[in-house]
Amino acid sequence: DVKVTQSSRYLVKRTGEKVFLECVQDMDHENMFWYRQDPGLGLRLIYFSYDVKMKEKGDIPEGYSVSREKKERFSLILESASTNQTSMYLCASTETGELFFGEGSRLTVL
Amino acid sequence: GEDVEQSLFLSVREGDSSVINCTYTDSSSTYLYWYKQEPGAGLQLLTYIFSNMDMKQDQRLTVLLNKKDKHLSLRIADTQTGDSAIYFCAEVYNFNKFYFGSGTKLNVKP
Repeated sequence: DVKVTQSSRYLVKRTGEKVFLECVQDMDHENMFWYRQDPGLGLRLIYFSYDVKMKEKGDIPEGYSVSREKKERFSLILESASTNQTSMYLCASTETGELFFGEGSRLTVL
Repeated sequence: GEDVEQSLFLSVREGDSSVINCTYTDSSSTYLYWYKQEPGAGLQLLTYIFSNMDMKQDQRLTVLLNKKDKHLSLRIADTQTGDSAIYFCAEVYNFNKFYFGSGTKLNVKP
């Protein structure tokens, strides 16, 4: 079975802190994604990566950056967290069209 | 192809059929998906349909695709309390650009 693992299920951070959200997949997928999920807004794409060191902006990249140094790992970085970044963050990967999701990381910024 | 719309809530009684609807805007989508999200979890693929199909049946699930109206529906027969979840439809292009609806929260009353 494909497994997508997000390192933290719940985080609480303060405004201005730097936040790292880690995601690892074990199926050698080329494509990895970071989504943000908010009630009534569905999933919005922040960034995706189709290869090591490659990244593309999604629909809402402002305030975020990403890193893909190894194929299995895709990190989402909030350089200076703000309260409007309180949300559920979902990582996903795919090779042939089916998107596999991690369990999600719920971030609260105080 | 970025506007995927769903109603936000649906409530049914146990044993009834549920129909969750979705509209999308871009007819060049290659696949259309239904994902299920249970409380506190990531999204799991429920079923999918190729864009050249009209219908797909999988046990209690029936997916109908009306390409002319750009309308996708998911019917769950004999709905159970365990079917209570949020259901997302999604369209995908080129295997790596996914667009999700806002999600429909299905509440199944005993």
